[in-house]
Amino acid sequence: GAVVSQHPSWVICKSGTSVKIECRSLDFQATTMFWYRQFPKQSLMLMATSNEGSKATYEQGVEKDKFLINHASLTLSTLTVTSAHPEDSSFYICSAGGLAGVGEQFFGPGTRLTVL
Amino acid sequence: EDQVTQSPEALRLQEGESSSLNCSYTVSGLRGLFWYRQDPGKGPEFLFTLYSAGEEKEKERLKATLTKKESFLHITAPKPEDSATYLCAVQTNTPLVFGKGTRLSVIA
Repeated sequence: GAVVSQHPSWVICKSGTSVKIECRSLDFQATTMFWYRQFPKQSLMLMATSNEGSKATYEQGVEKDKFLINHASLTLSTLTVTSAHPEDSSFYICSAGGLAGVGEQFFGPGTRLTVL
Repeated sequence: EDQVTQSPEALRLQEGESSSLNCSYTVSGLRGLFWYRQDPGKGPEFLFTLYSAGEEKEKERLKATLTKKESFLHITAPKPEDSATYLCAVQTNTPLVFGKGTRLSVIA
């Protein structure tokens, strides 16, 4: 299957700071990537769909000004958590794959964000 | 609204004790049903894609089947390394909709 990487794998930051998470598709070009967050013992919650060269599509209830998504190339999407607060602490996972996002998705290893 | 329900929430098996995990769905226009395995602190690992009722896929001790209303993930003679959370997801005209998963524990 396709390989998706994420960086960093974990990050600890102070409240009020911004954190950037990178998602890369290593062996294929992804016009569409997805960002999820996952709380302990919960399933994945889709945050937004990232489209190369255009604005991201956010799910209802997700603040687009707080979670900035940039998909500048066919292999890289970034998620920036701005002015992070403790309630933003979570496991963030990206995925890519399929044609225009249709078909099986391949997931990155995830990024554990802890906001103090 | 598309819905995916997985059962049981948790399952504890002895090594070698075969069982099945269920994923029932209510969607309009199924384009695909996916099974993933997720280990603690890691991203989901792709297992299978099923597209139409009657389809079956196998991989080692795992076999996935699909009907018009549900999918089963059969685990034959499981081993402790099969312990993980198994996630089911469906795709219609929107991005994947995930179930809450089944936490499987296989005891030696």
